[in-house]
Amino acid sequence: EPEVTQTPSHQVTQMGQEVILRCVPISNHLYFYWYRQILGQKVEFLVSFYNNEISEKSEIFDDQFSVERPDGSNFTLKIRSTKLEDSAMYFCASSEAPLSYEQYFGPGTRLTVT
Amino acid sequence: AQRVTQPEKLLSVFKGAPVELKCNYSYSGSPELFWYVQYSRQRLQLLLRHISRESIKGFTADLNKGETSFHLKKPFAQEEDSAMYYCALSSHASGGSYIPTFGRGTSLIVHP
Repeated sequence: EPEVTQTPSHQVTQMGQEVILRCVPISNHLYFYWYRQILGQKVEFLVSFYNNEISEKSEIFDDQFSVERPDGSNFTLKIRSTKLEDSAMYFCASSEAPLSYEQYFGPGTRLTVT
Repeated sequence: AQRVTQPEKLLSVFKGAPVELKCNYSYSGSPELFWYVQYSRQRLQLLLRHISRESIKGFTADLNKGETSFHLKKPFAQEEDSAMYYCALSSHASGGSYIPTFGRGTSLIVHP
């Protein structure tokens, strides 16, 4: 069964550094999403991406965040200058169609900013 | 603004006991509600959604618009049901996608 994959599983970085989190969505899916979950808190929506552009973004997704689909398979989340409060689990998800209810989640990348 | 409340952080039951994980929501429109589950060391996955009115792994959830609730129930809990359960409400955003708002989650532990 096809799955969403994410790399790395754990990323440690110093405050102020740039990080890129990578995701490979399910191949025939059209919508892509990033979520984050700070330890002990709820899963929060960051951004959705469709047809090579951002379709929705939350208040959390400020100018330090960007997303890209550099080729036909990868979907990346870049954080330009990390802060301590960016430490969280970042989940990628994809869905088959614009009106599909079911989003398939990746295993997550744990980002630790020191 | 939409909000999802799961009042219990932890629910601990014995195998065979009934389970009810509570979820209340606030939303001005017509809600689309879901339950997601995350088993230990596994990824978040959709368990069920209210529109399909299905039972998955013995779990059911009924949308009660009067009480603005979408509680998840199972008559007889199994040890393999131990997991983190998230209630989510989706709004149909202007960009065309469904954006879920998650509750904080309830950890269900089923003891043998």
